Amino acid sequence: DIVMTQGALPNPVPSGESVSITCRSSKSLLYSDGKTYLNWYLQRPGQSPQLLIYWMSTRASGVSDRFSGSGSGTDFTLKISGVEAEDVGVYYCQQGLEFPLTFGSGTKLEIK
Amino acid sequence: QVKLQQSGAELVKPGASVKLSCKTSGYTFSTSYMSWFKQIPGQSIEWIGMIYAGDGGTGYNQKFKGKATLTVDTSSSTAYMDLSSLTTEDSAVYFCARLYEGLSFDYWGQGVMVTVSS
Repeated sequence: DIVMTQGALPNPVPSGESVSITCRSSKSLLYSDGKTYLNWYLQRPGQSPQLLIYWMSTRASGVSDRFSGSGSGTDFTLKISGVEAEDVGVYYCQQGLEFPLTFGSGTKLEIK
Repeated sequence: QVKLQQSGAELVKPGASVKLSCKTSGYTFSTSYMSWFKQIPGQSIEWIGMIYAGDGGTGYNQKFKGKATLTVDTSSSTAYMDLSSLTTEDSAVYFCARLYEGLSFDYWGQGVMVTVSS
């Protein structure tokens, strides 16, 4: 199985500051179609996960442009430009290259 | 609008089985894929498996083979997951979610808490 490893944030983060959340995969997620099969989600407290980014850098419908995704085949970053109170929660990366689909352990964002 | 409505919380005894439902609306269910996930509170998310509503074809995480069985009823646009031989380790929140681009999931049910206790 592909192992997804996420970094931590120096919580709490001041409102308005920009943050980068990191994720690393144990195998390259770059597929032969030229797309990188890395997805990002936000799970707010008590809620279901919400898709933010797919194919490493494509924002999902309705997602603020404060969220951006980047990376290589194995190292990925979700950047939040100017965190707001509504961004609080746990961020997960997920690989879509192989079955079983796997998630990172999550990165918690707290805001002060 | 797309909605995935899951059934209510379950309290079940060890050794029993439970069937969870995920009723969909707002899109063409019969040509879509649905996945199910497990999340123990405070922990990460595990992918259980996926089903294609068009023909009922399934794929499972090896970890959940024999534990979970996925089915669909296209007449009611509902997906189901049977969990069998329940133990306390099966106590978790279970989500259904619609497959989207890049094997991501764009719409999720609200989740259902399953508690296994005697």
